[in-house]
Amino acid sequence: AQSVTQLDSHVSVSEGTPVLLRCNYSSSYSPSLFWYVQHPNKGLQLLLKYTSAATLVKGINGFEAEFKKSETSFHLTKPSAHMSDAAEYFCVVSDLESNDYKLSFGAGTTVTVRA
Amino acid sequence: NAGVTQTPKFQVLKTGQSMTLQCAQDMNHEYMSWYRQDPGMGLRLIHYSVGAGITDQGEVPNGYNVSRSTTEDFPLRLLSAAPSQTSVYFCASSLSGKSYEQYFGPGTRLTVT
Repeated sequence: AQSVTQLDSHVSVSEGTPVLLRCNYSSSYSPSLFWYVQHPNKGLQLLLKYTSAATLVKGINGFEAEFKKSETSFHLTKPSAHMSDAAEYFCVVSDLESNDYKLSFGAGTTVTVRA
Repeated sequence: NAGVTQTPKFQVLKTGQSMTLQCAQDMNHEYMSWYRQDPGMGLRLIHYSVGAGITDQGEVPNGYNVSRSTTEDFPLRLLSAAPSQTSVYFCASSLSGKSYEQYFGPGTRLTVT
């Protein structure tokens, strides 16, 4: 079975400063990991994904995440926050080798960007 | 392509009523799924389908039924609505297995009084 813990329910940053969203996962097998973003009253959109290739994954809008197996982490970063980054972010894990098709979502991190 | 579409956008039901949330995709995706989103709980999987005629339960299936008669459509039925089913419901589809991107619909906001 797999699970995800997003360590911060809310992150507030100033525009132009770095953003760090923390995610720890638990997986019995090789994990597939994703970050999704949800803007207010919208559906979810994929930011980036890790599927056992390069450990540093680059996504859209300047976001990137690093897979660290030894720390079971997949933290999301962006060097310089923009007002449009204000949204809710979800870390998602699935077990590539398990027989089911179940994804596990974290509880979400709400990002506020101050002008 | 319209992507994943959901209807209705909003719905208010009385306890005990039944209804069907519609979901359709035009990307020829094999996998489709239904999630509910509640504050502070992320998204939880209700039911999913790996192809026409094949469905399976997710994390929170009680009170919901699904069927998949075509590749394109994956309706979610609430048999007897309860206040605990007040939530935002998202339908998603993906090309194939678990390593593929999920494409989400815009959601249906359901209130049960």
